[in-house]
Amino acid sequence: KQEVTQIPAALSVPEGENLVLNCSFTDSAIYNLQWFRQDPGKGLTSLLLIQSSQREQTSGRLNASLDKSSGRSTLYIAASQPGDSATYLCAVDTNTGFQKLVFGTGTRLLVSP
Amino acid sequence: SAVISQKPSRDICQRGTSLTIQCQVDSQVTMMFWYRQQPGQSLTLIATANQGSEATYESGFVIDKFPISRPNLTFSTLTVSNMSPEDSSIYLCSVGGYSSYEQYFGPGTRLTVT
Repeated sequence: KQEVTQIPAALSVPEGENLVLNCSFTDSAIYNLQWFRQDPGKGLTSLLLIQSSQREQTSGRLNASLDKSSGRSTLYIAASQPGDSATYLCAVDTNTGFQKLVFGTGTRLLVSP
Repeated sequence: SAVISQKPSRDICQRGTSLTIQCQVDSQVTMMFWYRQQPGQSLTLIATANQGSEATYESGFVIDKFPISRPNLTFSTLTVSNMSPEDSSIYLCSVGGYSSYEQYFGPGTRLTVT
């Protein structure tokens, strides 16, 4: 059974810092990995998706990497801003062909002005 | 991407009653999913709802408790039946089936059962 863990569970940083969020999964047979952000009272916003054959994806200040063999992904946020404050979730597609996502436990990020 | 709306956005219900949650998408999609997020927990997949076929439930979730309808390619409902306080959660629908393999989520329905 696929299990996804995120470290740290919570993170508080001052504005401007670069930071790294970690995601690990137990079964390397994944189809892809997706990073989301969740704002209080709102749904999930898709940030980046990395296919299993890819090593990284970039969007603006965000860079996600994937090491499938070791079961790890990182989300790098450059020059953090207070608007980045949210809960960040990683999710793996379990390679069943039906796009079933298994979600991590989340990292709650607070960026202070 | 897709724009997804859910109704209601939140509700407070009595134990033993049922609530139907609606999910509407602004474009036709093949795959729709229902997730549950219990307080302080991450998301867990309840079932996959594809148009024209019966919903497929994940382990631990049964049709009698969470009946799902998918009458067309833009709409689905999830009913939470015979509710107990343990059903207090956020329920989210999502859509997939895109060539990008991304999934897009609705804003969620926050349910409190008293």
